[in-house]
Amino acid sequence: KQEVTQIPAALSVPEGENLVLNCSFTDSAIYNLQWFRQDPGKGLTSLLLIQSSQREQTSGRLNASLDKSSGRSTLYIAASQPGDSATYLCAGPWRSEKLVFGKGTKLTVNP
Amino acid sequence: ETGVTQTPRHLVMGMTNKKSLKCEQHLGHNAMYWYKQSAKKPLELMFVYNFKEQTENNSVPSRFSPECPNSSHLFLHLHTLQPEDSALYLCASSQESASTDTQYFGPGTRLTVL
Repeated sequence: KQEVTQIPAALSVPEGENLVLNCSFTDSAIYNLQWFRQDPGKGLTSLLLIQSSQREQTSGRLNASLDKSSGRSTLYIAASQPGDSATYLCAGPWRSEKLVFGKGTKLTVNP
Repeated sequence: ETGVTQTPRHLVMGMTNKKSLKCEQHLGHNAMYWYKQSAKKPLELMFVYNFKEQTENNSVPSRFSPECPNSSHLFLHLHTLQPEDSALYLCASSQESASTDTQYFGPGTRLTVL
């Protein structure tokens, strides 16, 4: 059974700090790895999608990496801002359609 | 409207009621999904439709009944729900399948079952 784990469950940092969110998965035969952001009571916003053949993806201040052999992905956020406060979720499909999600890391960036 | 829309945004219902959730995507996608998000649990996939055909039922109780009349619309019909079914129900769509395509999510319907 595929499982996705995100540690820590919550993280609080001061504004301007660089930070890393972690995601681990039990089955290395992942199709791709996606990072999402969820604001309280809202839907998910896709941030980055890393295909299984890729090692990393970048979008603005965000950089996501994927290491299938070790079953890990990281989301790096540079120069964090209060507007980055949200819950960050990672998910992967191991079959063509079924995304398996972690429980998320709740990030708070303090001004 | 653009993206994925869901109505209603909030719903309170009794255990004997019948109600429906609606999802509409304006992205020209062919795959649509229903997810359930309960407090302190990972987001759970419920159903997948690809080109209007159901391709995944993740062991969902029959009191939840999906309907996909066309590639742009997805419904979730609710009947005799239990209080533990209270959750945020999210709809998503993608071009085809999750293996290669980003899923785009709607804002969700917050369901409370009394």
